[in-house]
Amino acid sequence: SQTIHQWPATLVQPVGSPLSLECTVEGTSNPNLYWYRQAAGRGLQLLFYSVGIGQISSEVPQNLSASRPQDRQFILSSKKLLLSDSGFYLCAWTPWIANEKLFFGSGTQLSVL
Amino acid sequence: QQPVQSPQAVILREGEDAVINCSSSKALYSVHWYRQKHGEAPVFLMILLKGGEQKGHDKISASFNEKKQQSSLYLTASQLSYSGTYFCGTENYGGSQGNLIFGKGTKLSVKP
Repeated sequence: SQTIHQWPATLVQPVGSPLSLECTVEGTSNPNLYWYRQAAGRGLQLLFYSVGIGQISSEVPQNLSASRPQDRQFILSSKKLLLSDSGFYLCAWTPWIANEKLFFGSGTQLSVL
Repeated sequence: QQPVQSPQAVILREGEDAVINCSSSKALYSVHWYRQKHGEAPVFLMILLKGGEQKGHDKISASFNEKKQQSSLYLTASQLSYSGTYFCGTENYGGSQGNLIFGKGTKLSVKP
């Protein structure tokens, strides 16, 4: 069966520090991968998606970047965090075929102080 | 284009019914519904792909009116476990396949 791992679960970082969140999927090949952010009391905002290794599309211009070094690994990064980067970050995947549901990771609660 | 959900919040007593609406200004290819408990990841409820399609399991069902570019989620005889925030995610014609745009959510609270 397929599983998605996301870590860390919580993170407190000072403004200006770097960020690296990692997500891995097991039990499937060539998944579509996504990073979403959820600010307090807000909806789910799509940040990045990837349909293959090295292929990254950005939905919102911002202080963040994403990379997909391996088929089932998706990394969210920042060189210098801003206060506005605080939020709940969710990694998700879908099978490469169309019209499938999103499977979400357990999320990372990021607080930038 | 972000879909608009209504209402923003609703409070129910156990056993009462609720309807949550999701509207888009663009033609919809599909609508997904998810429920999220506080501090947890969203959990998939259902996908609607065809205009006029209705789906349901247990006492939660949904409809998709393609012509009106909207979907509704129906919660019947609500239970305490139904509490959470409900999100619709829409996929537009001409958009990137599989990329959902989520509404801001509807917070549902079921009281004993």
